[in-house]
Amino acid sequence: GQQLNQSPQSMFIQEGEDVSMNCTSSSIFNTWLWYKQDPGEGPVLLIALYKAGELTSNGRLTAQFGITRKDSFLNISASIPSDVGIYFCAGQLGNTDKLIFGTGTRLQVFP
Amino acid sequence: DVKVTQSSRYLVKRTGEKVFLECVQDMDHENMFWYRQDPGLGLRLIYFSYDVKMKEKGDIPEGYSVSREKKERFSLILESASTNQTSMYLCASSLSLFDMNTEAFFGQGTRLTVV
Repeated sequence: GQQLNQSPQSMFIQEGEDVSMNCTSSSIFNTWLWYKQDPGEGPVLLIALYKAGELTSNGRLTAQFGITRKDSFLNISASIPSDVGIYFCAGQLGNTDKLIFGTGTRLQVFP
Repeated sequence: DVKVTQSSRYLVKRTGEKVFLECVQDMDHENMFWYRQDPGLGLRLIYFSYDVKMKEKGDIPEGYSVSREKKERFSLILESASTNQTSMYLCASSLSLFDMNTEAFFGQGTRLTVV
């Protein structure tokens, strides 16, 4: 099936550091969404991107929709302990409403 | 407030049992999704429905079926549960993703263990 390659798989960082993660695919996506999942909960949307080249911020989070429409990145600046969780990218594939997810990046933040 | 509700947080079933996972959304969304989440594999799409009685296979439909008789309810059915279907199951719903400013909303998940 279609795949989104997300990296890194996990990150262990110190509080205050910046974080970067990305997703790539061989397929073209119309929409990119970035989600965060806390333990025992469903994923919650962080940032949505709708146009190629779009750069969007939400507080300490910044995400970009790649020009080729095949990739996206998420940056978190000045990480804090509550940033801990699993981050997923998701893309809307082609001309359908099918939403495909990446494999996730597990983030641990140490004080 | 937006709400997607999955009928159970935890389920334990025996091998060979028929299992129903229910999901209800109160947002009048057209799209509903079923994913399973396994460590290191992310969320994999099992089935997707874009309207009542309409469905599309996702990446891993084998061993599963779905039912969408009403717009607000999307059921995932394991015809004969097997141990390799032990997983976290997540339901989501959305308006058409072609509309700007829409997103998929998730339920809290059902952790299914097949013994």
